[in-house]
Amino acid sequence: GAGVSQSPRYKVAKRGQDVALRCDPISGHVSLFWYQQALGQGPEFLTYFQNEAQLDKSGLPSDRFFAERPEGSVSTLKIQRTQQEDSAVYLCASSLMEANTEAFFGQGTRLTVV
Amino acid sequence: QKEVEQNSGPLSVPEGAIASLNCTYSDRVSQSFFWYRQYSGKSPELIMSIYSNGDKEDGRFTAQLNKASQYVSLLIRDSQPSDSATYLCAVNTPNDYKLSFGAGTTVTVRA
Repeated sequence: GAGVSQSPRYKVAKRGQDVALRCDPISGHVSLFWYQQALGQGPEFLTYFQNEAQLDKSGLPSDRFFAERPEGSVSTLKIQRTQQEDSAVYLCASSLMEANTEAFFGQGTRLTVV
Repeated sequence: QKEVEQNSGPLSVPEGAIASLNCTYSDRVSQSFFWYRQYSGKSPELIMSIYSNGDKEDGRFTAQLNKASQYVSLLIRDSQPSDSATYLCAVNTPNDYKLSFGAGTTVTVRA
């Protein structure tokens, strides 16, 4: 597609529920990033993939968060047993080459845990 | 100390004026610098990238980088109401994959 596509755009989850957020990067982009953005703050890094390899997951806040990109294209961010503090916008970005190059963001998924 | 610092604003400028946004970073080896524009409720949109000291101009936008002072700025000339948004500064270091973002500066251009 022309840009980074994320789905769903909005997700309301009951506390304790598992959720899966999808990211379809720009075709051919090697690098894929997941960020979390709280209201009024800049995006905070969660994890990075280079093709199918997860090279950095240092930003994942707990072991309830898991991300994968099995074929080096579409990625899924999964949050198990959601908590209220997980409520945020989850942004996916991709870039053509390895890191240090321009990254383009999707529209994000706004997760609300009630 | 946060890795990337920005004045939160809001920065209010009259239409047609120059808006000046500042960003400082803590890691001296940072090598890639980006400005993103984020409209309320939307995702960040890349508007400028700069990699070497000096100025880089693109239309009404000019990015300025001073690595010795660990400082990067964005100038918006002839500000328009459509420039009203939050501007995010992002920095990348050679041995790190992630972009580190500032909290953003909110700009309001008043007609």
